[in-house]
Amino acid sequence: QVQLQESGPGLVKPSQTLSLTCSVSGESISSGDYYWNWIRQPAGKGLEWIGRIYTRGSTYYNPSLKSRVTISIDTSRNQVSLKLNSVTAADAAIYYCARDDSSISYWLDPWGQGTQVIVSS
Amino acid sequence: IVLTQSPATLSLSPGERATLSCRASHSVRNYLAWYQQKPGQAPRLLIYEPSHRATGIPARFSGSGSGTDFTLTISSLEPEDFATYYCQQRSSWPWTFGQGSKVEIK
Repeated sequence: QVQLQESGPGLVKPSQTLSLTCSVSGESISSGDYYWNWIRQPAGKGLEWIGRIYTRGSTYYNPSLKSRVTISIDTSRNQVSLKLNSVTAADAAIYYCARDDSSISYWLDPWGQGTQVIVSS
Repeated sequence: IVLTQSPATLSLSPGERATLSCRASHSVRNYLAWYQQKPGQAPRLLIYEPSHRATGIPARFSGSGSGTDFTLTISSLEPEDFATYYCQQRSSWPWTFGQGSKVEIK
């Protein structure tokens, strides 16, 4: 059974770059027709979809974040990465990774447990 | 596409029926899903397009609707169903979520 685990620095300074990793276990990240997504949730608020990357490398980003976001995939490490540059307090949130694929009609399942990011100097 | 969920909070007792609404600003055809989130946990896929239950989801959860109006129904609330529920569309980019509906114990 596939499991996703997010990791990264919990504290980032304003104007710096946020870097997070989603480690996939239980199967190869490139073994199927998979998309890997990043979603975030500010404290006490709703969910915002950040973007997704196909196993073969094509990406889709939320236009509201597109100028600052890069999602990449490392098949040798079975990991998906998120980089968000020029962060502000508005980027503080729990960041989740999630998979979507054709077996569930490209809906988000499963999800990682999430990693909290605080933006502060 | 903006998804508007109602009510924001629903106060019910175990055994009661819960009906949650999700309204889209433009048609999403049937490309809508529901997720359940408990405090301190990640969301979990419940229902998609818009009446298919995800693996392991009990039959008391059901979804309906198309176009701009969708409903999630929990036929008889179990203690573990008290949580926040989000709808999500994937009809057009960017994918968007509703603001959530919290089902709390009365």
